[in-house]
Amino acid sequence: DIQMTQSPSSLSASVGDRVTITCRASQSIFTYLNWYQQKPGKAPELLVYAVSNLQSGVPLRFIGSGSGTDFTLTITNLQLQDFATYYCQQSFNTLGITFGQGTRLEI
Amino acid sequence: QEQLVQSGADVKKPGASVKVSCKASGYTFTGYYIHWVRQAPGQGLEWMGRINPNSGGTDPAQKFQDRVTMTRDTSLNTAYMELSSLRSDDTAVYFCARSPLFGAIIDLWGRGTLVTVSS
Repeated sequence: DIQMTQSPSSLSASVGDRVTITCRASQSIFTYLNWYQQKPGKAPELLVYAVSNLQSGVPLRFIGSGSGTDFTLTITNLQLQDFATYYCQQSFNTLGITFGQGTRLEI
Repeated sequence: QEQLVQSGADVKKPGASVKVSCKASGYTFTGYYIHWVRQAPGQGLEWMGRINPNSGGTDPAQKFQDRVTMTRDTSLNTAYMELSSLRSDDTAVYFCARSPLFGAIIDLWGRGTLVTVSS
């Protein structure tokens, strides 16, 4: 399976800040990289697909980039509702989908 | 609206099996894969496998190949996931989710079903 490694595991920030989460794949996944947001007690929600495409309704302050093995999710002008856990997911190997371990974004 | 509605929480003893259901509505059930993803308490997301509701074909994750059975009933627009030989570390929230048939971008999730394995 393709291993997905996120950093940092947790992150503290304030409203209005800009933060960046990194996701590294154990092999090239080209642009088959998606990001999900999960709030406590809720199901994950698709945030960004194919590296940089925002899911419908997702604010423009979420910016995804990268290719190959290294990817980032940047959130600018943090809002209260952005404090959550973020997961990257590779969709290159569809028979062995894998997620990163998650990054918890705290106030 | 498009949604996936899962069955309620369940408690099972070690060694037993559990079957979770996932009813789709608001979209063409046979037009999307149904995936199963679980999350142990305080842990991350773990993909268990997927089923093509159109063909019934399944792709279980290697880790679960011997213990997971995924089925569907197209007349009910419902997918099922059965996990056998339960252990305490199978205690988790089990999510069903969908992706297009041509990829693995998971764009709709159920609310999850808590399965507790305890003697």
